[in-house]
Amino acid sequence: DAGITQSPRHKVTETGTPVTLRCHQTENHRYMYWYRQDPGHGLRLIHYSYGVKDTDKGEVSDGYSVSRSKTEDFLLTLESATSSQTSVYFCAIRDRTYNEQFFGPGTRLTVL
Amino acid sequence: GIQVEQSPPDLILQEGANSTLRCNFSDSVNNLQWFHQNPWGQLINLFYIPSGTKQNGRLSATTVATERYSLLYISSSQTTDSGVYFCAVNTGNQFYFGTGTSLTVIP
Repeated sequence: DAGITQSPRHKVTETGTPVTLRCHQTENHRYMYWYRQDPGHGLRLIHYSYGVKDTDKGEVSDGYSVSRSKTEDFLLTLESATSSQTSVYFCAIRDRTYNEQFFGPGTRLTVL
Repeated sequence: GIQVEQSPPDLILQEGANSTLRCNFSDSVNNLQWFHQNPWGQLINLFYIPSGTKQNGRLSATTVATERYSLLYISSSQTTDSGVYFCAVNTGNQFYFGTGTSLTVIP
């Protein structure tokens, strides 16, 4: 258990509304990641962070923004949710010592 | 980015059978991991294996980095092995996932 929690775990929202997902870790890891998982695509990287206020884009970053004001929290924001953003969202940390990723429990988001 | 291909995409086994899952990747990598996603959606770390061979109980993995592939062996399969198996490779700060092998073990 890498001490990663995600909130909320489930959310249903309507097209056009803003949504923020939270990832919280308790072990002071520098690197944090947001992925989305869709059938037939595996997990795809949205954004990642390599420190407080240091973030970068992944392969599917359009329509998403992130923020990291504290080491323990990494927020993913959908400014105006669309139905194509219906997905399961996973947060992960990277253990710097072993270069190994560990995942949170996921958030299932449905955009109607 | 790096392309990661997994095979087979689907696999159905009788309980007690053995299987081999394959992961091919298109470029040199720093790290390779195998994950099991259980039917409840949880991603469980199986192996961190950038090269060589590791074993953990009925599971073992081998990565041949120079030939850009990794194999996951499951022996004496059990119904609890069902789920999706992913490999992921790392270069720089990013990780790239394959699309997974969906395994169903029938009692």
